[in-house]
Amino acid sequence: QKEVEQNSGPLSVPEGAIASLNCTYSDRGSQSFFWYRQYSGKSPELIMSIYSNGDKEDGRFTAQLNKASQYVSLLIRDSQPSDSATYLCAVNQAGTALIFGKGTTLSVSS
Amino acid sequence: EAGVAQSPRYKIIEKRQSVAFWCNPISGHATLYWYQQILGQGPKLLIQFQNNGVVDDSQLPKDRFSAERLKGVDSTLKIQPAKLEDSAVYLCASSLDPSPRTDTQYFGPGTRLTVL
Repeated sequence: QKEVEQNSGPLSVPEGAIASLNCTYSDRGSQSFFWYRQYSGKSPELIMSIYSNGDKEDGRFTAQLNKASQYVSLLIRDSQPSDSATYLCAVNQAGTALIFGKGTTLSVSS
Repeated sequence: EAGVAQSPRYKIIEKRQSVAFWCNPISGHATLYWYQQILGQGPKLLIQFQNNGVVDDSQLPKDRFSAERLKGVDSTLKIQPAKLEDSAVYLCASSLDPSPRTDTQYFGPGTRLTVL
């Protein structure tokens, strides 16, 4: 059974702080790793994709991948109230369905 | 570029009734997915199409769910008869092709189904 585990939260951070979201996965054959953001009542929106070990930065977002530890993380710098949402970690092998975690709810207070 | 389109956005039905959802993927995207998202959970795959062929339907409850993708573009997902536990959001996603780094999946707005 392929699984993706996330802390469901809620994770609460003050505005301007760094939010750190973590994810572990069970399938060592996973090739692609994604972070989606989902606002309440909306569909998942892609934030970051990462395919190689190390860090990948895009604006205020940094994704980190460690395949040996089967661990993916997302850092959000200078968190804003508009970042308050559920963050879904998803993994797959190329061309297959995404396996999602249950999501971590982030709350950024102003 | 237009995104993934889905309709209807909301549907309320009685148990044992039937319902159908429609999806139009991003133009040129060969792979189409239907996911079910129950409240508080991550999306779970129901069926994956590559062009108009089924790639993975291992988690589709085939006694009540069916799906087709005619001409490799639009797709419909049907539930007949519906059960209370089918209340969920049904998400359609598409990707360009199944190769690494071009298989990023983009989601439509979803259809929220309530079964009473």
